[in-house]
Amino acid sequence: NAGVTQTPKFRVLKTGQSMTLLCAQDMNHEYMYWYRQDPGMGLRLIHYSVGEGTTAKGEVPDGYNVSRLKKQNFLLGLESAAPSQTSVYFCASSSGLGEQFFGPGTRLTVL
Amino acid sequence: SQQGEEDPQALSIQEGENATMNCSYKTSINNLQWYRQNSGRGLVHLILIRSNEREKHSGRLRVTLDTSKKSSSLLITASRAADTASYFCARPLSGGYNKLIFGAGTRLAVHP
Repeated sequence: NAGVTQTPKFRVLKTGQSMTLLCAQDMNHEYMYWYRQDPGMGLRLIHYSVGEGTTAKGEVPDGYNVSRLKKQNFLLGLESAAPSQTSVYFCASSSGLGEQFFGPGTRLTVL
Repeated sequence: SQQGEEDPQALSIQEGENATMNCSYKTSINNLQWYRQNSGRGLVHLILIRSNEREKHSGRLRVTLDTSKKSSSLLITASRAADTASYFCARPLSGGYNKLIFGAGTRLAVHP
């Protein structure tokens, strides 16, 4: 099992550009999450999904959109990137029983 | 902010010593989790302790939970250089669906 994978691993954008981060899990988990991690801070929840076709806002959703068209995939989109979105993005999945399984992260820089 | 507080922010010890990290929170919880993050990697789940448990062990890890003080501690015994990482506590965010809120973490450095 690959667990949770994320693509790309690194990306540099210019202000105003758009991009999509892909998260995939092979554990048949219903719940998936997107977090961002900034220096000196813990992870903050951006959006989450409790099943295929569902999404909901987390703590810091502004500037991001998500989609869960397939159970195994959870996409995070930035329509118009801003320097404040420079961060490391982590995807996680869970069966709902407590433990979350994390991907390796995507390091995004917005110039 | 709903985030918990962890202390210390950084901890530097020698191999073989014990490392203790603390986590405090403000609202009632039904469980609390601890995660490890190696530099440049994703988080890895270490242990989950439920509100009706006071102590839990996993290998060299011991976690305690005091719901009256709204605090938890993670003890790593006989530390190794490979334990060098950041350690985060996480508790459920309101609204269910296993959403988590993380503390800022403790950076542990274990020197050979």
